[in-house]
Parts: sequence; structure tokens; C-alpha cells
Amino acid sequence: GQQVMQIPQYQHVQEGEDFTTYCNSSTTLSNIQWYKQRPGGHPVFLIQLVKSGEVKKQKRLTFQFGEAKKNSSLHITATQTTDVGTYFCAGARRDKIIFGKGTRLHILP
Amino acid sequence: EPEVTQTPSHQVTQMGQEVILRCVPISNHLYFYWYRQILGQKVEFLVSFYNNEISEKSEIFDDQFSVERPDGSNFTLKIRSTKLEDSAMYFCATARGLLSYNEQFFGPGTRLTVL
Repeated sequence: GQQVMQIPQYQHVQEGEDFTTYCNSSTTLSNIQWYKQRPGGHPVFLIQLVKSGEVKKQKRLTFQFGEAKKNSSLHITATQTTDVGTYFCAGARRDKIIFGKGTRLHILP
Repeated sequence: EPEVTQTPSHQVTQMGQEVILRCVPISNHLYFYWYRQILGQKVEFLVSFYNNEISEKSEIFDDQFSVERPDGSNFTLKIRSTKLEDSAMYFCATARGLLSYNEQFFGPGTRLTVL
């Protein structure tokens, strides 16, 4: 079945440094969604990418969808303490969704 | 801002007991979902529900699990005979349309502890 792999599992960065998490699928995705989960919280939808090669920005966050629609990345510029949490990518097909294992971001002050 | 609510926030039960987890969707949403997250692990899709029917389910969603929307508002997940490995956070989520095209909104979750 479809698998969504995400790396790295953990990332420690100094506040102000950049952060990137990568997502790869074993099959072509119709779309990729990104979520953020704060410690002790629930997943919160960030964005959805649909088109091959699509790039979307939300303030310091940049999301990319690969040309082959099998990989995606989330890049955060100049991390802040509020960025702490786990970032999940997920591939949705109609009414089913597969999440990656997530990247847990720790910010060192 | 409308939000998904879930009750209870924490449920402790003995192995073999039945539990019912409840969710109140956002009012104009038509698609409902249950997810499971074992502590420190990824979010796992259990089931999707639309028009009073299951539309998709995962391998995890076996005969021990069932969902229904008995009164047109609450959306429930029932686990008939709980096992130790059912201990996890259970999230309900709702969306206006299919996940392929729509954002889903998660509730705060119910932490299920099976002893």
C-alpha cells in the first residue's frame, strides 16, 4: 500500500536558523498536505499542494511539491520558539489520508 | 471560530470493556474522520464517514470498531472489547468535502487508557 516517508525524525536548531523537513511517497500523490502538531495538541492543517512543481509560501514557511508529485518539502526560515512542534506531511486520495511519521522540531534558545 | 469538540477528554477503561468516544463536528461539515495516535508516533487514519456510511477504512479499523451518527449531531467511535494496544489518543476530524480537495479540522482528542 501507499507509504509516506518523512525525514529527519528529529531536528534541533538554534533559534534563528533555518529548518527543512522532507517527505517522500512510494507512489504518485494526487496532493500533499502539511500539518503542525504542538506538544500535547492536535494536528492543525497548514496547507495543501496539488500541482506538480507547486511552491507556496506562508510568511516564513515555504512548501514545495515535486515535479513527479512523489516528494515534498517544508522549509522554515529563521526559526522562532513558536515553531516548536511536529510537522507531518500527508497524502490524501479521495477520502483517505496517509500521514508521514513527522519531524519533531526543537528550538534551542 | 467554529471548532470540533470531543468528549471525554480522557477515558480510562479495563481491558475487554466497551468504550464510546464522541465528537461534535463543525455544523456545515459533511465528512467525518477518526484517527489514532499512539504516544509519540504518527497519526493513523482509521475511518471516513459520509452520508451515514463508511466511505473508507484502514486495516486498523477491524470488527472491534464501529462508527455512527445516531442523532444527526454527535459522531461516535465505539470500540467493543478494548485491548491494551488500543491505548492512544483518538482524534476526530471533519471537513466540508473530500480530503483530496479540502482542509480538515481536528478536535482536541480523547486520550484512551486501557488497563
